[in-house]
Amino acid sequence: AQKITQTQPGMFVQEKEAVTLDCTYDTSDQSYGLFWYKQPSSGEMIFLIYQGSYDEQNATEGRYSLNFQKARKSANLVISASQLGDSAMYFCAMREGRNYGGATNKLIFGTGTLLAVQP
Amino acid sequence: GAGVSQSPSNKVTEKGKDVELRCDPISGHTALYWYRQRLGQGLEFLIYFQGNSAPDKSGLPSDRFSAERTGESVSTLTIQRTQQEDSAVYLCASSRTGGVGGELFFGEGSRLTVL
Repeated sequence: AQKITQTQPGMFVQEKEAVTLDCTYDTSDQSYGLFWYKQPSSGEMIFLIYQGSYDEQNATEGRYSLNFQKARKSANLVISASQLGDSAMYFCAMREGRNYGGATNKLIFGTGTLLAVQP
Repeated sequence: GAGVSQSPSNKVTEKGKDVELRCDPISGHTALYWYRQRLGQGLEFLIYFQGNSAPDKSGLPSDRFSAERTGESVSTLTIQRTQQEDSAVYLCASSRTGGVGGELFFGEGSRLTVL
């Protein structure tokens, strides 16, 4: 079963507007972490924001915020005041907290959303 | 260096040859990951090392793929008898811990092209 689902293969947004990138996840664990990464055309992976499953407040980092709705298992990324430099691929990822005595805390990524910011 | 270092940055090889890709994680990071990213696609998990625990190899696509890590240092991903479908960027990442909240720091990747 797919653990991380990003249903928007591509999105357009006008410069200076806000945009929401969707992410839903599937886990039976109580302890897990959710991440968003940005990958511009240069290929580097840039960490944006993290939300722990026990965090009561939605995570925020500058213009990025994570709309965490635990009951709905969604972790949408909100980018406020979009800039041209925000044009990139965005990946949602999850790490579960289980450990079966081995190293099982792998980070699983969604398929990504390609965001294009238009002037 | 301060970041995750991968080599080679580019590798072109002929079908059937073996290749080795190297990853030097950030010093002190106990967790190390390998991912594969085909052109225009997402990151496909390959293998995960956490300290001295047995690695999670559940993402390795076939027995042609193997990886080793010496302690908490360098890791090598080996692909034997390469096939054209192995062409991809291979990304290595490390994190300070293997805990739920450990942020991954990525290298710039090794781009493999199999002719």
